[in-house]
Amino acid sequence: GAVVSQHPSWVICKSGTSVKIECRSLDFQATTMFWYRQFPKQSLMLMATSNEGSKATYEQGVEKDKFLINHASLTLSTLTVTSAHPEDSSFYICSASASSGNTIYFGEGSWLTVV
Amino acid sequence: DAKTTQPTSMDCAEGRAANLPCNHSTISGNEYVYWYRQIHSQGPQYIIHGLKNNETNEMASLIITEDRKSSTLILPHATLRDTAVYYCIVNDRGSTLGRLYFGRGTQLTVWP
Repeated sequence: GAVVSQHPSWVICKSGTSVKIECRSLDFQATTMFWYRQFPKQSLMLMATSNEGSKATYEQGVEKDKFLINHASLTLSTLTVTSAHPEDSSFYICSASASSGNTIYFGEGSWLTVV
Repeated sequence: DAKTTQPTSMDCAEGRAANLPCNHSTISGNEYVYWYRQIHSQGPQYIIHGLKNNETNEMASLIITEDRKSSTLILPHATLRDTAVYYCIVNDRGSTLGRLYFGRGTQLTVWP
């Protein structure tokens, strides 16, 4: 079945630095991918829609300059958390659907801890 | 915003059927009902989806009421590994396919 993979699974970074998380669709092409954030004991919150070859669309309240999204190919989207701070520590999850599909598949998630 | 309402938590004995309800009274005619589950510290796992007919796959069954204002996810023989948060989501599969708005979901605990 369709598989979406994220890397890294977990990362620790120093406050003020930037960290990049990758999301790959392994056996299908995804013109659109999605990024979510989940704080402990809370539900997933949609952050942005990543569009291959064009700018990402951000949900209200999500800073586009803080969370840079690049979708350079049909199988890869990246989320860069710039100038990370402890409050950015969270579980980041991506999802994707095949161009002709009706089902959305999620990655395993990436834990970010900013110290 | 999430357009669904689910109970916060439910318990189920191992081997018994788990019936998870979901209210989506404002669902529109072109919106599908999707179910996902999330085991702790993992990404959500797709379970099943439907429009108006009941659906069944190897994981579960989905029963949608005739007026489509509510649905029930049925895990026919729950196991300990089914312990997870279950999310019911509506989506029109059009331009918003993939833009899923999660509610709080139902924490299902399966006990021995």
